[in-house]
Amino acid sequence: GAVVSQHPSWVICKSGTSVKIECRSLDFQATTMFWYRQFPKQSLMLMATSNEGSKATYEQGVEKDKFLINHASLTLSTLTVTSAHPEDSSFYICSASGRDRGNYGYTFGSGTRLTVV
Amino acid sequence: GDSVTQMEGPVTLSEEAFLTINCTYTATGYPSLFWYVQYPGEGLQLLLKATKADDKGSNKGFEATYRKETTSFHLEKGSVQVSDSAVYFCALSGTDDKIIFGKGTRLHILP
Repeated sequence: GAVVSQHPSWVICKSGTSVKIECRSLDFQATTMFWYRQFPKQSLMLMATSNEGSKATYEQGVEKDKFLINHASLTLSTLTVTSAHPEDSSFYICSASGRDRGNYGYTFGSGTRLTVV
Repeated sequence: GDSVTQMEGPVTLSEEAFLTINCTYTATGYPSLFWYVQYPGEGLQLLLKATKADDKGSNKGFEATYRKETTSFHLEKGSVQVSDSAVYFCALSGTDDKIIFGKGTRLHILP
């Protein structure tokens, strides 16, 4: 149990375009989803926390207008990188926490590697 | 604020060697502690966890004990394999539900 599907696993886009990344909890209800960004050889950086049906809470330094997060249902959260630039190239990972966190803890998606050219 | 400090890598060992990756934390209250592993080209996977003091998490031959007195959660394995080569992240989850990660330790196992 507790599977999170993240899609796409990799994407290449042109500078100035927008890219949407989906994160789905397949067999549990994810009341909270987290989005992380991983820079090469660095640790994960929490970007934002989203709760179903409410606006995401962004970490300091993360541009909310650039990284749009939507958590419209208990099984789906999306991260849209708007007007992407090469410096946005990174590995993005979502994680989800379910209602029964004691059993599930946090389940991570497989990540999305974004390359902006 | 809460933080996690883990030993810097890379760590290079021969197959069947004993592994220790140190992790210490700073947190208010009683956080849950985790070790995550990231294999090349893949996302994070939960390796093991412990939710209270003196708990021992274990999985795939790895284990770690939640030591409140030393605020540590060191990862150990008695005999590593080439397939254990990966990046290992120590992490904690505090009262605000956020996960705070260490910087990761890259492990190379030589055949």
